[in-house]
Amino acid sequence: QVQLQESGPGLVRPSETLSLTCAVSGFSINSGYYWGWIRQPPGKGLEWIGSIYHSGKSYCNPSLKSRVTISVDTSKNQFSLKLTSVTAADTAVYYCARSFDYWGQGTLVTVSS
Amino acid sequence: QTVVTQEPSLTVSPGGTVTLTCASSTGVVTRDSYPNWFQQKPGQAPRALIYSTNYRHSWTPVRFSGSLLGGRAALTLSGVQPEDEAEYSCLLLSNGSYVFGTGTKVTVL
Repeated sequence: QVQLQESGPGLVRPSETLSLTCAVSGFSINSGYYWGWIRQPPGKGLEWIGSIYHSGKSYCNPSLKSRVTISVDTSKNQFSLKLTSVTAADTAVYYCARSFDYWGQGTLVTVSS
Repeated sequence: QTVVTQEPSLTVSPGGTVTLTCASSTGVVTRDSYPNWFQQKPGQAPRALIYSTNYRHSWTPVRFSGSLLGGRAALTLSGVQPEDEAEYSCLLLSNGSYVFGTGTKVTVL
């Protein structure tokens, strides 16, 4: 069974970099599909952040593109998100997903000093 | 950037039928937008229901069906159950980016 688990700091200071990792089990990233990040601010809707293929080719939301880096580590079967220069508007539950079919449980990241 | 709009809220009686729609600011929604639908209950991660307009995942009950309707993507819930009360979001591929809809809160009453 495919499982995804997000990990990373729950609190990030304004202007710093948010870093999250998604560990995948039950399926090899090398086997295909694309792997993505989605976020949901408290009480609001879902927002696609970006996706990456096992080859390393990535696509990002144009509104976040200048601040987002998504990378994949096939040796560890995991992929990562970095979001730079964060503000309070980046406070959200961050989800990782496999091609939008299998999702992690989500992790709340709060941006605050 | 594309805006994807859904009905804010809908109410349906148990056993009834309700249709949710998903409209794109760029115009007609087609299969090339690869419409997806998700169900989300409070405190839980979204659960995928429908992909590529009308394909159910292996875990999706048959009472959920996807289609294109009047230039929009649509999700129809037939024989609604109390456990179907949730937020439903659509997802479209538009100009090379994925865009989620604004979400519809479905109340079963």
